[in-house]
Amino acid sequence: LAKTTQPISMDSYEGQEVNITCSHNNIATNDYITWYQQFPSQGPRFIIQGYKTKVTNEVASLFIPADRKSSTLSLPRVSLSDTAVYYCLVGPPNTGFQKLVFGTGTRLLVSP
Amino acid sequence: EAGVTQFPSHSVIEKGQTVTLRCDPISGHDNLYWYRRVMGKEIKFLLHFVKESKQDESGMPNNRFLAERTGGTYSTLKVQPAELEDSGVYFCASSAAGLSTDTQYFGPGTRLTVL
Repeated sequence: LAKTTQPISMDSYEGQEVNITCSHNNIATNDYITWYQQFPSQGPRFIIQGYKTKVTNEVASLFIPADRKSSTLSLPRVSLSDTAVYYCLVGPPNTGFQKLVFGTGTRLLVSP
Repeated sequence: EAGVTQFPSHSVIEKGQTVTLRCDPISGHDNLYWYRRVMGKEIKFLLHFVKESKQDESGMPNNRFLAERTGGTYSTLKVQPAELEDSGVYFCASSAAGLSTDTQYFGPGTRLTVL
């Protein structure tokens, strides 16, 4: 599976938009980009997945440029409860049926 | 619908002892995974069950680790004998059958401390 690189940590304040970028230079043609969120004392939780351009759901937006060598997870108007570790994964889309390869993740701290 | 549950939430044992972790997947989920994160490291895959069969156990670190899923429902992960480097958080995840695009649902993890 393609290796990913993310910032180790980010700080933000409530109400701000947070953008977390992930680099995946060796992404394969068939690979999708999937983001997981992990709150303290909990397991990771799927939040969004995309292949190209833009994907949006009730939690976040995912922006993927044409070359797909990077992606940006966008969290609009974060709150304290968005404090978590965010993982970017690259691989086949059927994440329910494959082993997941986690990187170091980005630890987001949202302050009042 | 209940999520993935794991027991115990914490376990503290001495080196050389045996510990058994339990995972109850979401009802009806055929796929069950074990992962762990040791201190300062990334979350790593251990193994994957499809029903009661081991689909992939390439991540099992050594033969001190034994995973079972008798009957294809809950799973246990036994560490015998435990070593200091086994300390970490052990996560279980489950997902629906087949090549579904469904995601894996993770449990809260079991924090294992080996003294």
